[in-house]
Parts: sequence; structure tokens; C-alpha cells
Amino acid sequence: NAGVTQTPKFQVLKTGQSMTLQCAQDMNHEYMSWYRQDPGMGLRLIHYSVGAGITDQGEVPNGYNVSRSTTEDFPLRLLSAAPSQTSVYFCASSYFDVGTEAFFGQGTRLTVV
Amino acid sequence: GESVGLHLPTLSVQEGDNSIINCAYSNSASDYFIWYKQESGKGPQFIIDIRSNMDKRQGQRVTVLLNKTVKHLSLQIAATQPGDSAVYFCAEIFGNEKLTFGTGTRLTIIP
Repeated sequence: NAGVTQTPKFQVLKTGQSMTLQCAQDMNHEYMSWYRQDPGMGLRLIHYSVGAGITDQGEVPNGYNVSRSTTEDFPLRLLSAAPSQTSVYFCASSYFDVGTEAFFGQGTRLTVV
Repeated sequence: GESVGLHLPTLSVQEGDNSIINCAYSNSASDYFIWYKQESGKGPQFIIDIRSNMDKRQGQRVTVLLNKTVKHLSLQIAATQPGDSAVYFCAEIFGNEKLTFGTGTRLTIIP
């Protein structure tokens, strides 16, 4: 049982580069979300989805895009990386509401230089 | 703005003792609260949750208490073990289904 799988685990980008963080879950969860975790600030919601074809913004959406073409996948795209986007990114999925009994991936540590 | 925060950033507890981790919230409309555990290098792991119409909920070695009068949430861990060492986050949901996390408390177990 894989749960929530994030790739890559580590990534270094140059300012201005773009990339996609992958997230996949095999639990048939409707709700998926992306968080970023910065030191001393806890986790902050970037974008979330309540089902295939439906996405919405979270607390800190600027600079990120998402799409949800299937129930299983919820990629996060950085359009033009900035040093302020250096963080650890977590993808999560859940059966019910966003965050309720959410299962988290192992995280992607992103550094933008 | 609304906030979810913790009283103490670090907590050291003797192995075998009980641990109490506290959390304050400011939005009286929050209707659902969750505690997560995050071990080093891993994603947060769900521990226990409680709805606003309850004041206590128990799990295996953990108890969550909710005091709506003072907007306070606590996580009690009984007979703390070395494996309980982690950062613990409280989180709340209000209205729009978006989860708001506190900054976390690092729990260290003293052998």
C-alpha cells in the first residue's frame, strides 16, 4: 500500500526555472492538497482539490499552479522559481474534508538559488 | 487575522511520564481540530481529532481536550516513549474546509 507518493524528494532550481512536483495517491481519496512548510511557520495550504477537475486556492497560492485531471494525481507547478519558494512541500489526501484524517507524503525539499 | 498557535515551542519529558502539549486558537467558529505528529524527515501523521461539539476524545495512549470557553486545545500522551519524540502540530478547520496549522511543539523524551 503506497499511500501518498511524492517525487522528487530533493530538488535544486535556479531562479526563474520552472518545475513540477508530482503527487500520487492510491487510496481513491477525493480530497488532495499541497502545503509548504517553512521553519517556525508550520504548514501553509497552497492549493487544494475536492475532486477531479476541481481546484481552489489556499492561503499562499501565488507562484504555483495545480491541476487535477485524475483522482490519483495532483501535480504542483512552479511557474518561475524564486528564492522565497525554498521550502519543504507536502502533498496530502483524505476521504472527507480537506485535512480531515489526511495522509501526507514524505515531502519534497526544494531549494531555489 | 485568525491564528492557531502553541504556548511552548519545545517540551522535554522523562520517559514514562505523561506529556501535555497545548494549543490556543482564536476563531470561535472553528468546528474541527486535529493533532498531527511529524517525525524528522517525514510528513505529518494524523494522531487524533475532535469536533467542536465534544470536549474530550480518547485514543490509544492519547487524549485530546477541547475547552471552547478559553479556546484551548491540548494533547495528552500517556506513558511517553522514545518513539513519541517528534514535532506535534495542532490544526483547525473553520467553515471553508481549509486546514490551518499551528507552528508546532517539539517533544523530546529524556531517557
